Amino acid sequence: DAGVIQSPRHEVTEMGQEVTLRCKPISGHNSLFWYRQTMMRGLELLIYFNNNVPIDDSGMPEDRFSAKMPNASFSTLKIQPSEPRDSAVYFCASSGGQGAVDKHFGDGTRLSIL
Amino acid sequence: AQSVTQLGSHVSVSEGALVLLRCNYSSSVPPYLFWYVQYPNQGLQLLLKYTSAATLVKGINGFEAEFKKSETSFHLTKPSAHMSDAAEYFCAVSDTGGFKTIFGAGTRLFVKA
Repeated sequence: DAGVIQSPRHEVTEMGQEVTLRCKPISGHNSLFWYRQTMMRGLELLIYFNNNVPIDDSGMPEDRFSAKMPNASFSTLKIQPSEPRDSAVYFCASSGGQGAVDKHFGDGTRLSIL
Repeated sequence: AQSVTQLGSHVSVSEGALVLLRCNYSSSVPPYLFWYVQYPNQGLQLLLKYTSAATLVKGINGFEAEFKKSETSFHLTKPSAHMSDAAEYFCAVSDTGGFKTIFGAGTRLFVKA
């Protein structure tokens, strides 16, 4: 079975540019999570969706960050405009089934803002 | 509020030695507890979880963890370390809904030949 698929794996861009990260969850999973990992702050939950609906976005750091889940098989995390302090590894994870708490993580997108 | 504290950011063991990674949690409700492993340039992979059934939980790759409510601990152990165990390990706590999972800062395990 295919796992959680994230693209791109690496992104290098200049500050001020728009960045879009993409995620395809495991088929049949109804919850999707976006995390950010940095050395200083560890793993932080940014936002999560249940049945394509954003449930909690309290971890989104600023209005420059936005996330969408237009359907059950696709989600995006957008940063506009990007800043150097946004440099991090961004992970998408999905979980599914009633009572399922196990999160399945993608391999992440390593984002560098110059 | 829930929180997780992992004792030791780095642990080094010799191949064949016991692995012990420590985790203490704080939770106002009966928690779900997890250990995840992260290899370089990969996402986190679930090792094992505690969901209020048996207090001794067995996971993949020979790892196990014991839930001790009196000590609010969930330490991860493996009797004999293998070189392939070198990775970063994260302890995590979640509410029973499983949505808001809080991760510890991680412990990097080094295995010496």
